[in-house]
Amino acid sequence: AQTIHQWPVAEIKAVGSPLSLGCTIKGKSSPNLYWYWQATGGTLQQLFYSITVGQVESVVQLNLSASRPKDDQFILSTEKLLLSHSGFYLCARDWGGAEQFFGPGTRLTVL
Amino acid sequence: QQKVQQSPESLTVSEGAMASLNCTFSDGTSNNFRWYRQHSAKGLEVLVSIFSDGEKEEGRFTAHLNRANLHVSLHIREPQPSDSAVYLCAVSREGNYKYVFGAGTRLKVIA
Repeated sequence: AQTIHQWPVAEIKAVGSPLSLGCTIKGKSSPNLYWYWQATGGTLQQLFYSITVGQVESVVQLNLSASRPKDDQFILSTEKLLLSHSGFYLCARDWGGAEQFFGPGTRLTVL
Repeated sequence: QQKVQQSPESLTVSEGAMASLNCTFSDGTSNNFRWYRQHSAKGLEVLVSIFSDGEKEEGRFTAHLNRANLHVSLHIREPQPSDSAVYLCAVSREGNYKYVFGAGTRLKVIA
């Protein structure tokens, strides 16, 4: 079975502190990976995508960065959190444009 | 830049009645359309994907695509209270890896 694991489940962080969110894909190799962000009550926005290890493309600039250190791992991070980073972060995967499946998400609160 | 709009913003239907949701997009070269369901800011559940004009059925969910009219719809047959959720339309172009989501339609099914 193909599964998506995201960590942590939820995080409360201070403005200006660093952040690292993780996503691990289990199952078929070489997936396309995606990071999405959803502000509370807002529209889901794609942040990054990666079609291969070591390559990440930015879609929306939110003072965040992403990396893909392994085929099955996608990391979202920043050195300094802003209040506007609060929201729900979702990792997703697909293969060759087929159906995109989402992880359970991480809820981030920045105070 | 792709614009995706969903209507109505919210919809209440009685259990067993057909529910119809709409999604319009601005980029006529789009060829990858997906409908998702999201319960209370959790991960997304894919319902149906459609790539060519016409109709695609997945269980009680049917998507209709008319690319000339820049319109894709979702019809839910015999909706149940457990179908109450936010329904999201996502549009992309094959090989583009960029997905634009609509703001969603909040569906409430009453018994």
